[in-house]
Amino acid sequence: NAGVTQTPKFQVLKTGQSMTLQCAQDMNHEYMSWYRQDPGMGLRLIHYSVGAGITDQGEVPNGYNVSRSTTEDFPLRLLSAAPSQTSVYFCASSLVGVYSTGELFFGEGSRLTVL
Amino acid sequence: QQPVQSPQAVILREGEDAVINCSSSKALYSVHWYRQKHGEAPVFLMILLKGGEQKGHEKISASFNEKKQQSSLYLTASQLSYSGTYFCGTEVDAGGTSYGKLTFGQGTILTVHP
Repeated sequence: NAGVTQTPKFQVLKTGQSMTLQCAQDMNHEYMSWYRQDPGMGLRLIHYSVGAGITDQGEVPNGYNVSRSTTEDFPLRLLSAAPSQTSVYFCASSLVGVYSTGELFFGEGSRLTVL
Repeated sequence: QQPVQSPQAVILREGEDAVINCSSSKALYSVHWYRQKHGEAPVFLMILLKGGEQKGHEKISASFNEKKQQSSLYLTASQLSYSGTYFCGTEVDAGGTSYGKLTFGQGTILTVHP
């Protein structure tokens, strides 16, 4: 049971480049989300999904796209990287329904630097 | 809108107690507490649902005042392993749970010295 797996762990981009952060979970969780963490700002929600084919925007969605074609995978796409997107990105998942404890399971994070 | 945590930082000696507060301007369905060690992912501590319940987890407990939309995390007889950044995450009351759509506070840095 790997939990939530994020790749890559580190990435350096040039302004204007695009890339995809991968997130996969093997716990059959319906809910998946992406957060970015910046110093002094806590964790801010970018996008989330409550199931395959369903996505919605969080607090800071601009510049990012997501899709959810399977229960397991929830990739985050940066369309045209900007220095303001330099951050640590966390993917998180949770179970939905009566058996849920409400716990969010986080991946180890992906540190992105945009030059 | 982000919940507000206080204090921003706490320095303790082993064995001392601490309280971290989390306050929201919105009606809440639940409050979550997480601890994050430097360079690691946040780890779930506990969740409190509206209803004003208090929960305990060994020497770490929390309360949720539904009327004031405030939660407090209590750390008693602190240990070195308690060091880290503590975040509260709040779930707005939209007639039920939103299953993890949390808004996090800015964090409280807790440092425990021997």
